[in-house]
Amino acid sequence: TQLLEQSPQFLSIQEGENLTVYCNSSSVFSSLQWYRQEPGEGPVLLVTVVTGGEVKKLKRLTFQFGDARKDSSLHITAAQPGDTGLYLCAGGAQSGTSYGKLTFGQGTILTVHP
Amino acid sequence: NAGVTQTPKFRVLKTGQSMTLLCAQDMNHEYMYWYRQDPGMGLRLIHYSVGEGTTAKGEVPDGYNVSRLKKQNFLLGLESAAPSQTSVYFCASRTSGRSEQYFGPGTRLTVT
Repeated sequence: TQLLEQSPQFLSIQEGENLTVYCNSSSVFSSLQWYRQEPGEGPVLLVTVVTGGEVKKLKRLTFQFGDARKDSSLHITAAQPGDTGLYLCAGGAQSGTSYGKLTFGQGTILTVHP
Repeated sequence: NAGVTQTPKFRVLKTGQSMTLLCAQDMNHEYMYWYRQDPGMGLRLIHYSVGEGTTAKGEVPDGYNVSRLKKQNFLLGLESAAPSQTSVYFCASRTSGRSEQYFGPGTRLTVT
């Protein structure tokens, strides 16, 4: 069974601060996805990284996939209240009958105070 | 283009009652998934389907059944609801060859 450990579970910061969320595993994933979820809604995909060492930027958000494809990080620069939400990482299974199945981390609840 | 829709949005059941949750997608996706979300536990896969007429067990399948009679619909059934099945249920779909999943808005189920 593949596991993804996401940390921290809770993050409460002031507007303008920077933050990093981590996802770690002992398993290798074919891809790593980050989702954002708002209360009462389903998760919405932010980004997918597929290559070891890959870095993707989405405005103030920077996503990195570890060289060995076992871990990932999400860094937010100058956080804003609109960034508040639940952030989920999800690892894609490597191959075979498990291809496409996602293993989710526990999630990080981010609160950005004005 | 509605994406993934789920009905109902909320439901309260008494222990032992049965119900069916409906998921529909209009993106012609081959793969569909049912997850449950509980505080501090992320999303856990209940059952999934790789195509019309096929289903498979996920991580936490006990107490649930599914059917995929039409490509666009994926039904999740609870035959005899238990308080442990109180959760938020999400349906998701994806197309063949890509791992990104698209989620519905969820169904909040309470079993008393």
